[in-house]
This record gives sequence, C-alpha cells and structure tokens, in this order.
Amino acid sequence: DAGITQSPRHKVTETGTPVTLRCHQTENHRYMYWYRQDPGHGLRLIHYSYGVKDTDKGEVSDGYSVSRSKTEDFLLTLESATSSQTSVYFCAIGGTGNGNTIYFGEGSWLTVV
Amino acid sequence: QKEVEQNSGPLSVPEGAIASLNCTYSDRGSQSFFWYRQYSGKSPELIMFIYSNGDKEDGRFTAQLNKASQYVSLLIRDSQPSDSATYLCAAASSGSARQLTFGSGTQLTVLP
Repeated sequence: DAGITQSPRHKVTETGTPVTLRCHQTENHRYMYWYRQDPGHGLRLIHYSYGVKDTDKGEVSDGYSVSRSKTEDFLLTLESATSSQTSVYFCAIGGTGNGNTIYFGEGSWLTVV
Repeated sequence: QKEVEQNSGPLSVPEGAIASLNCTYSDRGSQSFFWYRQYSGKSPELIMFIYSNGDKEDGRFTAQLNKASQYVSLLIRDSQPSDSATYLCAAASSGSARQLTFGSGTQLTVLP
C-alpha cells in the first residue's frame, strides 16, 4: 500500500449540505491529488497540490475547494453538495520519480440524495 | 482538450490466451504513459509505465508505445481469471508531467 488513508470511506449526505473528504499520507510526497470516477468518464482530476498551501485546479473543479495545511493532509470540500457530485473520490500521491507514477488511496464513496 | 481513448470493450478472452488492450491519446506532447488495473469496488493499481517507443515487458505484461501513431497498448500473455478487471490507460500531461489524463477504461473478462 502507498500509505494513503481516506476518510470517510462511505458517506450519504443531503443536497445542499457541506461535505469534507480527508486524505492522509505517510509517504511525505509533495504532490497530492483528488480525482473523481464516474461510469463512462473514467478518472477526472478535481484539484491537486504541489506543496503546503499550494493548490491548483484540475479538469472538473467547479463546486469543489481544497486545502493543504500540512504535507500529510489534503482536504476536499464540497461547499454545497449536489446530486451530480455523487461519485467515487480517489486521493492520490506521487508524480515524482518512478516515471511520475501516482498511487491511489482506497476511495471514498459519496452519495448525495 | 487532451483526451485518452480506449477500446470500450467489454473484452472477453479464454484462459491462457493473449489479451490486447489499446489506447490512443491526443496530446502529442505527452511523455509518459501508464496502465492501471482496477478490480470492481477497488482503487486503481499500477501495472506498468512506459515512456520510450517500443516494447517494455514485465512478467506476463508487455506495454507498447508508438509516439508517431499516438498509440499505447498492453498485452497480457497467458491470461488468468484473476486478470479480470478494468484496465485504465493514462497519459502524463505535456503541461505538467505530474497530471495524468485517464481513459474511461476497458473491462476485461478472462473465461476459465
């Protein structure tokens, strides 16, 4: 395992409520990522971080914000959850060395009702 | 928009056969390419990566890259039922080698 822990692993929430997903790594990687995975769309990058307090948008960042106050933690927040944000969310680390490979956490299943 | 396309599948092969998975990419500046395997309900796990034209072998797996044709493939020799999974192709962005663009995956079933 790549030393990545995501929490919560499963969550059901109501439309309009805020939700925060947490990613914790023990590998001291500089780069961390949040992806979402939906049928027919594959994995799409939401946001990524290249250091503490350094973040940037990915392909599908609307409706999401992130924060990274410590090297080991990367938080993804849905400010006001919508049904279209029902998805599986994967945190990943890496992107340096070994061909810039990234390694994924176990995923967080989010259902917005 | 940078795209990675995979043969949609699903693909079925008999046990012991060679499974061939294909991928094309639109960003000619992409430098590195990755194959991940994902079992149902699990996270993607890296099989191998390739960045030079030609073949790269690792056990039963061979990745092939043709940058002129913008084509990447994965061959699985002596396919086993345990190889049944979704295979994801990814390309590292030319803008930032640390961002990967993924295809939507090909579901492979190996029949006993």
